[in-house]
Formats: sequence, structure tokens, C-alpha cells
Amino acid sequence: QQPVQSPQAVILREGEDAVINCSSSKALYSVHWYRQKHGEAPVFLMILLKGGEQMRHEKISASFNEKKQQSSLYLTASQLSYSGTYFCGTAGSSGGSNYKLTFGKGTLLTVNP
Amino acid sequence: KAGVTQTPRYLIKTRGQQVTLSCSPISGHRSVSWYQQTPGQGLQFLFEYFSETQRNKGNFPGRFSGRQFSNSRSEMNVSTLELGDSALYLCASSLATGYSPLHFGNGTRLTVT
Repeated sequence: QQPVQSPQAVILREGEDAVINCSSSKALYSVHWYRQKHGEAPVFLMILLKGGEQMRHEKISASFNEKKQQSSLYLTASQLSYSGTYFCGTAGSSGGSNYKLTFGKGTLLTVNP
Repeated sequence: KAGVTQTPRYLIKTRGQQVTLSCSPISGHRSVSWYQQTPGQGLQFLFEYFSETQRNKGNFPGRFSGRQFSNSRSEMNVSTLELGDSALYLCASSLATGYSPLHFGNGTRLTVT
């Protein structure tokens, strides 16, 4: 089942912060975050595993709330280069589906000068 | 290391025709996944192959099929093309160990007229 991302779109000024949420109705084992710039392939940002620590990529961090089946991506002091569409991908806890990542519809982030 | 290579980059086909897309994974990656990307729908999982075996399949009709060769290269085939099949088709490879990240290719843009 496709995870739900919110918001669908957000516009920031350079230096502002943003939070993108990813929720699933199914038990999660891992959450992936990717960023896709226009006309380019999605690029991996980080993975959060059940029971794991909060992860960080430059000034972008993420958390994983196992009880709520929810992950949040925190963009701090946003830069123009952060613009793009952010996707969360989730994998369930059953062994056979570990590499079946189900992605949300994405959050379009625009950072303006 | 060379990234994931997808060919061709662009394809224009007519309804009813069939098409084959190719994906060469990163050297050493044995898992290859395919996704369909359309505006507003995000990344829809098609299937995942590991060591020439299809391990997971998404909710797509049987017109969509794939295979993986002994060198981990993968092909995806769509028969009896429909207008709704117009999309960006992305291939991603991974080490498939410990929930390793997906590395995406630049995709094949398929247009069905």
C-alpha cells in the first residue's frame, strides 16, 4: 500500500526550514528517502531502519516513529540546491518483500532566493 | 564506478505495438527493480529481480514482463501498448544486502501515440 506524503508541495525562501512527513497504514521495517531534481533520476538520501538511529545527510535529517508507522524528513536552513521532489519509500517487515519499495507520490519542494 | 545505464532514453511507439527496455546495473549489484513514473502518481513498483529470479511483482497487468540475465542486466517488455503506458520507466539496482539503497538510472521516456 502506497505511503502518504504531506505536504504535497512547499515553497521556501533560502535559509528557512521544512518538514516532510511520510505515513503508512502497514507495519514498516525501513523507510528510504530520495530526492529527484527535474529531468534527473531520483538520488538516495538516507535509510531509516526499525530500531535504528535518526539519520543525517548534510543539513537534512530524518526520524522514524515505529509506533506511528511514520517518518519525517527535516530540512534545516534550506539551500537552493534542495529544490526537487522528495519521495519516501517504505518496505514492510515480511522477508519476501524487503526489496519491494513502495513509494509515496512525492513532495515538491521549491527553494527561492 | 559506472552508474545504472538505461537504453534507449526516448521511445515513441504506436498503440498495439510492443517495446523492450534495457537496464545495466552497477557492477556487483544483483538486484534490479523497475518503476513506472507518471505525473501525480509517483513511482509505481513493477517488479524486482535478483539473480535471474523475479522476487516481487507490483500490480500491473500481464502485458508488463521482465527478465534478468546472468550478468545482472535486465530487460522489461510491454506488449500491446496502450496510451496509458506513456511514462518514464526507471530501473534501479542495489546490493540487496541489509536494505541497501536503490541506485536509479536516468530512465526511458516512453510515449505511446
